[in-house]
Amino acid sequence: DIQMTQSPSSVSASVGDRVTITCRASQGISSWLAWYQQKPGKAPKLLIYGVSSLQSGVPSRFSGSGSGTDFTLTISSLQPEDFATYYCQQGNSFPITFGQGTRLEIK
Amino acid sequence: EVQLVESGGDLVQPGGSLRLSCAASGFTFSSYAMSWVRQAPGKGLEWVSAITGSGASTYYADSVKGRVTISRDNSKNTLFLQMNSLRAEDTALYYCAKDHCSGGGCVTYFDCWGQGTLVTVSS
Repeated sequence: DIQMTQSPSSVSASVGDRVTITCRASQGISSWLAWYQQKPGKAPKLLIYGVSSLQSGVPSRFSGSGSGTDFTLTISSLQPEDFATYYCQQGNSFPITFGQGTRLEIK
Repeated sequence: EVQLVESGGDLVQPGGSLRLSCAASGFTFSSYAMSWVRQAPGKGLEWVSAITGSGASTYYADSVKGRVTISRDNSKNTLFLQMNSLRAEDTALYYCAKDHCSGGGCVTYFDCWGQGTLVTVSS
């Protein structure tokens, strides 16, 4: 199974900050990488797929990059509605696996 | 508007069975693979199972293999998850999720999720 490891597990930041979350796969997953945002009591929401493609309706302050085993999600200027938990997910092979999540909190 | 509505979650004793359903609308159901993803209370996301658009291929996580069966009825736009021999560790909110990849033959990412249905396994 491909293990997805996110760092940090939690991060505190302020509105307007630039934040980067990292996801590392235990083996190469080509470009089969997605990022999700989940707010308390809500279903996850797809933000980015294929490493860097923005899902329809997602603000452009979200961006993704990386290749092979190392990937990043960047939020260029944090907005109040961005405080949530973020998950990466690999779609390269079964079983599909998620990272453990990164909780983004208000400083 | 794409909509997924899960149902069937309940409190069940260890060793019991449950059948979850997911009613889909707003898209051509048979053209997309579908998955079940679960989330234990206070924990992260765990993919459980997937099925291709035609239903010809199914995939399972090791944690549920042999105890769970995914199926779909494309005539009724409904996805199912039959869960047997339930364990305490199966306690979770179960989401059905639509695949991002059109064509029905691929399982990649999940671009639409239901609100989830809660399964609690306890005596």
